[in-house]
Amino acid sequence: DSGVTQTPKHLITATGQRVTLRCSPRSGDLSVYWYQQSLDQGLQFLIQYYNGEERAKGNILERFSAQQFPDLHSELNLSSLELGDSALYFCASQRGLNTEAFFGQGTRLTVV
Amino acid sequence: DAKTTQPPSMDCAEGRAANLPCNHSTISGNEYVYWYRQIHSQGPQYIIHGLKNNETNEMASLIITEDRKSSTLILPHATLRDTAVYYCIVRERDDKIIFGKGTRLHILP
Repeated sequence: DSGVTQTPKHLITATGQRVTLRCSPRSGDLSVYWYQQSLDQGLQFLIQYYNGEERAKGNILERFSAQQFPDLHSELNLSSLELGDSALYFCASQRGLNTEAFFGQGTRLTVV
Repeated sequence: DAKTTQPPSMDCAEGRAANLPCNHSTISGNEYVYWYRQIHSQGPQYIIHGLKNNETNEMASLIITEDRKSSTLILPHATLRDTAVYYCIVRERDDKIIFGKGTRLHILP
């Protein structure tokens, strides 16, 4: 158990809908990452937050947004969902910026 | 873009040492070598990292060449539970983590 909690574990929704994925980092971790992994694809970096501020951005679609709250948990919002958004979404947290990252077990999103 | 090159797949007999190579010929002086692995569809797991010295922990050893252009992750006694995709990542310690395609390691019984 990495200590990073992601909810829900599974989510099935229809095209055009909006969903929110939640990540609770390890206690004391200030940095949160989000990744997308489609079937048989690699881990694509989406976005990183550090202590509530956006720190780095990857190839995140405009339909996707994220934020990190004062209690350091983070949410990834996916809107106008398409079939191709079906994927595993992972969150990772780091204590600071110069430490190792630990990953949650992911949220499996299925868009039908 | 990933800054490393790894073989797409490797086999290793159970109980033997698994040696996973990684080329990072453009590594800069501030960049560390990190290794993660992903077992099936679980979240990636941190294994080890190093700058220029060889490193060892309870999971693995990391051997970095003197010129730092390549490294090898060693799993000393591979078990079936080590079957996974192994990712070699080069990054500065405060930089984002970018995954490449990794090496799919098959442990053979």
